Parts: sequence; C-alpha cells; structure tokens
Amino acid sequence: NAGVTQTPKFQVLKTGQSMTLQCAQDMNHEYMSWYRQDPGMGLRLIHYSVGAGITDQGEVPNGYNVSRSTTEDFPLRLLSAAPSQTSVYFCATRNFKNIQYFGAGTRLSVL
Amino acid sequence: GENVEQHPSTLSVQEGDSAVIKCTYSDSASNYFPWYKQELGKGPQLIIDIRSNVGEKKDQRIAVTLNKTAKHFSLHITETQPEDSAVYFCAASKSGSNSGYALNFGKGTSLLVTP
Repeated sequence: NAGVTQTPKFQVLKTGQSMTLQCAQDMNHEYMSWYRQDPGMGLRLIHYSVGAGITDQGEVPNGYNVSRSTTEDFPLRLLSAAPSQTSVYFCATRNFKNIQYFGAGTRLSVL
Repeated sequence: GENVEQHPSTLSVQEGDSAVIKCTYSDSASNYFPWYKQELGKGPQLIIDIRSNVGEKKDQRIAVTLNKTAKHFSLHITETQPEDSAVYFCAASKSGSNSGYALNFGKGTSLLVTP
C-alpha cells in the first residue's frame, strides 16, 4: 500500500518547456487535489477532482491543466513553464471523513 | 472565501516545555479543522483534527481546542521533544461527502525544540 505516489521528485525546466507531474494513489479515494507550496505562503490549491471525469479550479489555477481519466491518477500539466511556477508541488487525496493524505512532493525549478 | 491566519510563524522552545500554535478562520460554515506536521523534504502529515461539534481533542502529548464563537483553534504540544521540530500547518474546511470543499491552510509555524 503505497498511498500517494508523486513522480518525479525533482525537475529542472527551462522557461517555455512543458511537463507533466504525475500523481497516483492506491487508496481508492474519489477526491484528489494539487497544491503548490511557496516559502511563507503555506499550501495553495491549484486544481482538484471529486471523481473520474470531474475537475475544477482551486485558488491558483493559471498556467496549469489537469484531467482525471481514472480514479487512481491525477496528472498536473504545465504547458509553458514560467519562473513563477518554481515551487514544491504536492498531490493529495481525501477520504470520506475529509482526511487528506499527501504525497512526498515534486520540487520544480524553472530557469 | 475562507481565510486562515496562523501565529506565530516561528516558535523556539526548550525540550520538555509546551508549545502552543494558534489559528483563526473567517468562514463560520467551516466545520473541520486539521493540523499537519511537515518534516524537511516530506509532505504534510495529519497529526490531529477536530470537528465543530467538539471543543477539545487529545492524543497523547498533542491536543487541539476549538472556539467556534471566536472562530479560533489551537494546537498544544506538551513535553516537547527534539523530534517535534518541524513546520506545523493548521487548516479549515467545510466537510461533506465527495464535496469540492478544499482545505484552506495557514502559512505555517516553524517549531524548533532545543535539547
């Protein structure tokens, strides 16, 4: 039982490049979400999904796309990376008691 | 939307002392208040939570109190140990089965416990 698995752990991009951050869960939770964490800012919600085929925007969605084709996977796409997207990204799931479980994070630098 | 304020941003205590972190929230409809601990290089982990129908909850050295009228909640750690050193986040949410209600996080408190 791995919980929430994020890949890659580290990534360096050049401005304008695209990439996908992967998130997979084996807890069969319907709700999944992506947060970004910046120094002194806490965690801010980017996008979330309440089930396969359903996604919605969070607090800071600009520059990010998501899709949810299966219960297990919730990838986050950066179409054209910008230095402002340098951050640590966390994927999380939530159970029916509203308890959230976080992955270990992806540390992204955009040069 | 919900706004969660957390204080202090840094806290240094001696081993064995108590540590208290306080949070306030703005949305009176929020009814779920978790606390997360984040160690260096890791994701946040839930350490304790409280729901709005309860005023206090304890789990060994950790306790959380909730004052719904004042819209604030606090984390209390007693008999602190060096391994308690981490960043602690409070959060607030409206719970609901399969709802879109997200966790709104405070900005975190960096706790340092010195031997």
